[in-house]
Amino acid sequence: GENVEQHPSTLSVQEGDSAVIKCTYSDSASNYFPWYKQELGKRPQLIIDIRSNVGEKKDQRIAVTLNKTAKHFSLHITETQPEDSAVYFCAASLYKLSFGAGTTVTVRA
Amino acid sequence: DVKVTQSSRYLVKRTGEKVFLECVQDMDHENMFWYRQDPGLGLRLIYFSYDVKMKEKGDIPEGYSVSREKKERFSLILESASTNQTSMYLCASSPQRGNQPQHFGDGTRLSIL
Repeated sequence: GENVEQHPSTLSVQEGDSAVIKCTYSDSASNYFPWYKQELGKRPQLIIDIRSNVGEKKDQRIAVTLNKTAKHFSLHITETQPEDSAVYFCAASLYKLSFGAGTTVTVRA
Repeated sequence: DVKVTQSSRYLVKRTGEKVFLECVQDMDHENMFWYRQDPGLGLRLIYFSYDVKMKEKGDIPEGYSVSREKKERFSLILESASTNQTSMYLCASSPQRGNQPQHFGDGTRLSIL
């Protein structure tokens, strides 16, 4: 089955700096790559997703890039704010989602 | 807005008990999922369902079963609870078959003593 690896496991950034989280996947047939944000004690919520026919997608301060050849995709958060502090999960899917282990992002004020 | 409701936020049960976790969604979604979330392991898929009375095993189905008698309701059953099933359980739903965003419930933190 699909195996998704996510790095780093923890990330601390200064407010206003950028944060980058990287994921690799094993099944070249996967074609859907969502990112979820989970604040402490709350449900995971979709923040952005990308499909395999697209190389990059942007939504305000969040962007995701996909390299199908290398089988990796990344989440970029620019101008980080304290409310960006959360656990972020990447996932890859052909017909069911396989999640990475998560990255705990802390934005220092 | 999609609402996925899990019956309990916290649940404490004893080893060997049969445990039922309930999930209801209000958006007529075709697909429903059960995950468990453990620190450092992310979300792992236990079972999922594409339609009423249909179920498919996920990555870690051992020790669990599911029931989907109505489209809006998906139940996770721990046949004989064990301490290694202490975890956070998350239910999710998504519309139609194929890759669509999943909407999660608030989770049930289950402790098996």
